[in-house]
Amino acid sequence: KQEVTQIPAALSVPEGENLVLNCSFTDSAIYNLQWFRQDPGKGLTSLLLIQSSQREQTSGRLNASLDKSSGRSTLYIAASQPGDSATYLCAVLYSGAGSYQLTFGKGTKLSVIP
Amino acid sequence: DAGVIQSPRHEVTEMGQEVTLRCKPISGHNSLFWYRQTMMRGLELLIYFNNNVPIDDSGMPEDRFSAKMPNASFSTLKIQPSEPRDSAVYFCAGGPRVTGELFFGEGSRLTVL
Repeated sequence: KQEVTQIPAALSVPEGENLVLNCSFTDSAIYNLQWFRQDPGKGLTSLLLIQSSQREQTSGRLNASLDKSSGRSTLYIAASQPGDSATYLCAVLYSGAGSYQLTFGKGTKLSVIP
Repeated sequence: DAGVIQSPRHEVTEMGQEVTLRCKPISGHNSLFWYRQTMMRGLELLIYFNNNVPIDDSGMPEDRFSAKMPNASFSTLKIQPSEPRDSAVYFCAGGPRVTGELFFGEGSRLTVL
């Protein structure tokens, strides 16, 4: 069974700082990995999707990397802003043997202090 | 496109009552998932449909839970009878099977008293 771990569970940084969120997974035979953002009381918003054949994806101040062999992904946020405060979740999609499993980590709650 | 639409957004009911949650996925997306989110357990997959067919319902906690997808534009998750431990936010998510990207609804917050 795929397990996804996100460390740290919570992170507080001053505005303007660059930061890295970590995600690790146990089964390297993944189909893709997706990073989401969740604001309080809201649904999940997709930030970046990395297919298994890719090493990284970038969108604005966000950069996500994927290292399948080590079972790790990182989400890099440059020049953090108070509006970046949210919970960030990574999700790993495993597709094989007739199954299609998307497993989420428990998230990292980010607070960016003005 | 309006995105994934879920209703109701909030539901408060009494133990033993039937609860029906609804989802309208984005047109053209052939995968649909129902998730439950709680503080203690995070996001848990309940059931997955592909092209309206239930593929994996191993996450459905008990027989009290059932889900249907009668057509590509509508799905329901039903709990009968509901219990206080079913209180959670229930999310519907869908996407194109080929990329595996998921788009979430805003969720239905269920409180069972």
